[in-house]
Amino acid sequence: QKEVEQDPGPLSVPEGAIVSLNCTYSNSAFQYFMWYRQYSRKGPELLMYTYSSGNKEDGRFTAQVDKSSKYISLFIRDSQPSDSATYLCAMTYFGNEKLTFGTGTRLTIIP
Amino acid sequence: DTAVSQTPKYLVTQMGNDKSIKCEQNLGHDTMYWYKQDSKKFLKIMFSYNNKELIINETVPNRFSPKSPDKAHLNLHINSLELGDSAVYFCASSLVAGSNYGYTFGSGTRLTVV
Repeated sequence: QKEVEQDPGPLSVPEGAIVSLNCTYSNSAFQYFMWYRQYSRKGPELLMYTYSSGNKEDGRFTAQVDKSSKYISLFIRDSQPSDSATYLCAMTYFGNEKLTFGTGTRLTIIP
Repeated sequence: DTAVSQTPKYLVTQMGNDKSIKCEQNLGHDTMYWYKQDSKKFLKIMFSYNNKELIINETVPNRFSPKSPDKAHLNLHINSLELGDSAVYFCASSLVAGSNYGYTFGSGTRLTVV
């Protein structure tokens, strides 16, 4: 079993829809959670970073962490074609020098 | 003003050759990493250096050897390239070891071994 599981998709939704992307994890030591966005032929870029259970909002993006269920989500409101990319969840804990990534979800927003 | 830059962007080479990928960051970060992304987009760490010192060496064949001449540079040398080495290799850096501030990635080197 992988430490971090993520539905690979692909996921296609119409423009303006709310998108929900999810990851589950098995290592209860994880305490820092990140979402990266990767456009085709580009490197991943950090989108959201959280370290506690609950919600964190940044514009159209909301990151949600439920440590008791070992489940994290990224919500995208009013989705735009420019949101079309692969979204990777990643996590780590203090003192650990590496990020453990999910496999990524490929998202397409249809105009 | 690129934060993490890698060269080359594309590398096509024959099996058995030796090749190097270079990485430089101008963010003043202490820690640098090499990640490999396979065809299914899965990112897996290979190496991590903190201020020129190797701190992570995952289960990677000995044919892969990182070198960090200073904390702003981390190069990757690959000997005797194999077909299975074909992937995208990403360099990344973070402010401190522990990566709880998130990474900054380069744009990747797409290696194709033929």
